[in-house]
Amino acid sequence: DAGVIQSPRHEVTEMGQEVTLRCKPISGHNSLFWYRQTMMRGLELLIYFNNNVPIDDSGMPEDRFSAKMPNASFSTLKIQPSEPRDSAVYFCASSHDRGRATEAFFGQGTRLTVV
Amino acid sequence: TQLLEQSPQFLSIQEGENLTVYCNSSSVFSSLQWYRQEPGEGPVLLVTVVTGGEVKKLKRLTFQFGDARKDSSLHITAAQPGDTGLYLCAGDGNNFNKFYFGSGTKLNVKP
Repeated sequence: DAGVIQSPRHEVTEMGQEVTLRCKPISGHNSLFWYRQTMMRGLELLIYFNNNVPIDDSGMPEDRFSAKMPNASFSTLKIQPSEPRDSAVYFCASSHDRGRATEAFFGQGTRLTVV
Repeated sequence: TQLLEQSPQFLSIQEGENLTVYCNSSSVFSSLQWYRQEPGEGPVLLVTVVTGGEVKKLKRLTFQFGDARKDSSLHITAAQPGDTGLYLCAGDGNNFNKFYFGSGTKLNVKP
């Protein structure tokens, strides 16, 4: 199994530009999560989907952030317009409900730098 | 506000020493996971504990879930440089499929 695949691995963009991060979850997993990691705030949950439906987006910082999951094998996180404070590592994770315990598998992340 | 507090935040030890990392919360979790993250990579799942009081061993790593399912500990015996990394605990709360991550413990094992 290829695991969770994220692209790009690194992104450098200028303030004000649109940024799109992509994620392919593990085949068969029915939940997908977008996290942001910074030194100051650690790992923060931005949004998660279950069966392609957004369940909780309360972690999305503001309207500049949006996420979609058009099908079970693809999700995007978009930032428009981007700002320097959005610089962070963005992780996508997927999981499969196993009853009492659910375990998340992470991609390698996208390191975003907004200058 | 962190739902899960980890301590210590940083730990630097010599190879061969033992250590314990703690993960505490005032909330009850249906399960709790421990992850290790190395620089430039995503967190990798080490173990899941489900039952209060449960103890799981993974080679030199021992994980324990508190009786009340509010806290957990990770004990490493005879630490090695390969154990270096960020250790994260995550709770699977009552919100279906929503994970809450702790602040992490950054471990450095010196040869």
